[in-house]
Amino acid sequence: AQKITQTQPGMFVQEKEAVTLDCTYDTSDPSYGLFWYKQPSSGEMIFLIYQGSYDQQNATEGRYSLNFQKARKSANLVISASQLGDSAMYFCAMREDPNAGGTSYGKLTFGQGTILTVHP
Amino acid sequence: NAGVMQNPRHLVRRRGQEARLRCSPMKGHSHVYWYRQLPEEGLKFMVYLQKENIIDESGMPKERFSAEFPKEGPSILRIQQVVRGDSAAYFCASSPLMTAGGARVGIQYFGAGTRLSVL
Repeated sequence: AQKITQTQPGMFVQEKEAVTLDCTYDTSDPSYGLFWYKQPSSGEMIFLIYQGSYDQQNATEGRYSLNFQKARKSANLVISASQLGDSAMYFCAMREDPNAGGTSYGKLTFGQGTILTVHP
Repeated sequence: NAGVMQNPRHLVRRRGQEARLRCSPMKGHSHVYWYRQLPEEGLKFMVYLQKENIIDESGMPKERFSAEFPKEGPSILRIQQVVRGDSAAYFCASSPLMTAGGARVGIQYFGAGTRLSVL
């Protein structure tokens, strides 16, 4: 069963506008983490934002915010004031933490990604 | 994430040769993860290591692939007798040991990847 689903293969946005990239997940663990990474055409993976399952507030990092709706199991990324440099592939990922409170962290499970194109 | 160093960035091998990929984690990080990305796909987990220990190798192919993270030196992902299907980007990520509190604990930071091409 797919644990991370990104339903938008591609998205387009006008420069300076906001855009939302969708991500839904599936887990039975009460403790987990949700991540967004950016992969530009150069290929590296850049960490953007993290949300823990027990965090009460939605995470924000500059122009990035994570719209976390736990009951709906969604963790959408919102990019405000889009810039041309935001054009890239964006991946949502989840880490399940069956050993919550322990000293080791497990693997990330990634979605298929969404290609974002910002138009001038 | 610039602190995770992977080399080489590009590696070309002929079928049957060995490929050796290296990863030096960020300073202070004791957890290393390897992922593989096939063209047009997301990353797939391969193996998770701590110093001198393999913690989770559930994503590693049963044959030809091995990984190590010695006490001294970088983590190595080794692919023996490469085949064309091994052509992919291989990413290494590192994370720090958990400490009490802190929402950023355990975030994985990635290197720039090694692009393996098998001729």
